Amino acid sequence: GDSVTQMQGQVTLSEDDFLFINCTYSTTWYPTLFWYVQYPGEGPQLLLKVTTANNKGISRGFEATYDKRTTSFHLQKASVQESDSAVYYCVLGTGNTRKLIFGLGTTLQVQP
Amino acid sequence: EAAVTQSPRNKVAVTGGKVTLSCNQTNNHNNMYWYRQDTGHGLRLIHYSYGAGSTEKGDIPDGYKASRPSQENFSLILELATPSQTSVYFCASGEYNYAEQFFGPGTRLTVL
Repeated sequence: GDSVTQMQGQVTLSEDDFLFINCTYSTTWYPTLFWYVQYPGEGPQLLLKVTTANNKGISRGFEATYDKRTTSFHLQKASVQESDSAVYYCVLGTGNTRKLIFGLGTTLQVQP
Repeated sequence: EAAVTQSPRNKVAVTGGKVTLSCNQTNNHNNMYWYRQDTGHGLRLIHYSYGAGSTEKGDIPDGYKASRPSQENFSLILELATPSQTSVYFCASGEYNYAEQFFGPGTRLTVL
């Protein structure tokens, strides 16, 4: 079945560091890939959506792309700020269901 | 103005009791979803709905029922609550297949 693997459970960085989070996915359908962000005490919210392999999604200084050959997709930001501290989920949507499949999440802590 | 609201925000229930969690959306979306969030498991889909009168089982439906009496409202029902159902529950709405989902603020349920 469809699945998403998000290996990095926790990432700790200092302000202005480079962020890179990677996921892998598995599906027999054409994928749509998302990054959601969840701040403390809130529900997840959409950060980025990528519908085409090797195309870049950009939002709030974050960039995301996915590679169909390696079935991987990643999130990056050139310079993180303390306000970016949150949980980041990679999420798979497929054409055969109305469901989204969430990875386990990566907790990003940015130290001032 | 919040488009997806949940009530109650916090709930303490006794084992064997009945619990109803409510969700209201003003997005006029056809699809609505109930998830639970637990450490080490991320977000898991319990039930979802394509529209008023419809409910579908998600990935972990055992012990839960759902009800969609109208476009705007979607309830999650625990007929016989158990301590293993202690969790944070999120409701979400979405417009069409694997599109962006909009989440509510969550309900923290504790079953003693």
